[in-house]
Amino acid sequence: QKEVEQDPGPLSVPEGAIVSLNCTYSNSAFQYFMWYRQYSRKGPELLMYTYSSGNKEDGRFTAQVDKSSKYISLFIRDSQPSDSATYLCAILNAGNNRKLIWGLGTSLAVNP
Amino acid sequence: GAGVSQSPRYKVTKRGQDVALRCDPISGHVSLYWYRQALGQGPEFLTYFNYEAQQDKSGLPNDRFSAERPEGSISTLTIQRTEQRDSAMYRCASSLARGVRDTQYFGPGTRLTVL
Repeated sequence: QKEVEQDPGPLSVPEGAIVSLNCTYSNSAFQYFMWYRQYSRKGPELLMYTYSSGNKEDGRFTAQVDKSSKYISLFIRDSQPSDSATYLCAILNAGNNRKLIWGLGTSLAVNP
Repeated sequence: GAGVSQSPRYKVTKRGQDVALRCDPISGHVSLYWYRQALGQGPEFLTYFNYEAQQDKSGLPNDRFSAERPEGSISTLTIQRTEQRDSAMYRCASSLARGVRDTQYFGPGTRLTVL
């Protein structure tokens, strides 16, 4: 079993739709949860970062962590064509290990 | 500089040749990371540095891969005796400090193709 599982999609939605992107993880020691966005031919850029269970909101984006289920989500409200990208979850273990463990990424297309 | 830069952006080499990939992190950034990313995959950790010290090289696939950051700034990832399976996008990232929550800023990557 991979440490982080993410459905690669692709996901195609109409403009204005609510998008739900998800990852599951296996190690209950994981504590830091991140979502990166990667446009075509570009490097990943950090979108959201969460530490504890619960929700964190930033504009149209909401990151949700459920540690009891080892499940993290990214919700995008009122999706725009400019949101079309690959979304990667990345998880960091606590302690001295600074190695991010990445999901495969979900490819999202928002159609005008 | 304004962001993380990497050179060359594209490298085509023949099997068996050595290649050196360069990363120039954001000025002042303490930590520097090397990743490999295959098409349609998430980044795969290779190694990282705090200043000039290599903290973790557990992701380097084998002893043909090595990395250095001698002055705590620019880093070089070297692949000796390249093989076709080494073909991938190699990405570098840097972060300001050593805190676990520090944002990693990624460079544009070097696309390596081994013929």
